[in-house]
Amino acid sequence: NAGVTQTPKFRVLKTGQSMTLLCAQDMNHEYMYWYRQDPGMGLRLIHYSVGEGTTAKGEVPDGYNVSRLKKQNFLLGLESAAPSQTSVYFCASSSRTFSGNTIYFGEGSWLTVV
Amino acid sequence: QQPVQSPQAVILREGEDAVINCSSSKALYSVHWYRQKHGEAPVFLMILLKGGEQKGHEKISASFNEKKQQSSLYLTASQLSYSGTYFCGTGEDRDDKIIFGKGTRLHILP
Repeated sequence: NAGVTQTPKFRVLKTGQSMTLLCAQDMNHEYMYWYRQDPGMGLRLIHYSVGEGTTAKGEVPDGYNVSRLKKQNFLLGLESAAPSQTSVYFCASSSRTFSGNTIYFGEGSWLTVV
Repeated sequence: QQPVQSPQAVILREGEDAVINCSSSKALYSVHWYRQKHGEAPVFLMILLKGGEQKGHEKISASFNEKKQQSSLYLTASQLSYSGTYFCGTGEDRDDKIIFGKGTRLHILP
């Protein structure tokens, strides 16, 4: 059972380039999330989805877009990468309700923007 | 709004106890606790729901005081494997998103 899988694991981008991070979960979870983690800042929610075809903004959504076309996939896009987006990105998923249900995290994607 | 965790960091010797606190300025429905090792994903420890409950997980337990909007994580007779960064995440109602604090770094010395 793979759980939550993120691709790619590592990526270096030049400022202004675009890219998409892919998250896939095989637990049939309704909710999916993208967090970013920076030193001393903890885990900050970028965007989340409560079901196929729906997305919502989190704490730090600027500069990112997301799509949830299939229940098992949640894509995070950077249209024009900036050095401030250098971070570790974690995708996660949980059952129908946020609260009262375990959030399962992927292994992370390390992104460097130069 | 991120919950506030304290302390930011703590160093213990193996066998000592630790308490990590998490507080919010808003009424809470749930508190989630996770531990993260360096370079790895956060790992689930426990969830506490509105009702002031207390939970235990081996030598790790937690309490949730909804009136004070606070939760505490208790690490008893700490082991080397307890080292890592601990995060609390809070939700304001049943279907609310979970927002995490900045974390508490715990280092256990032999």
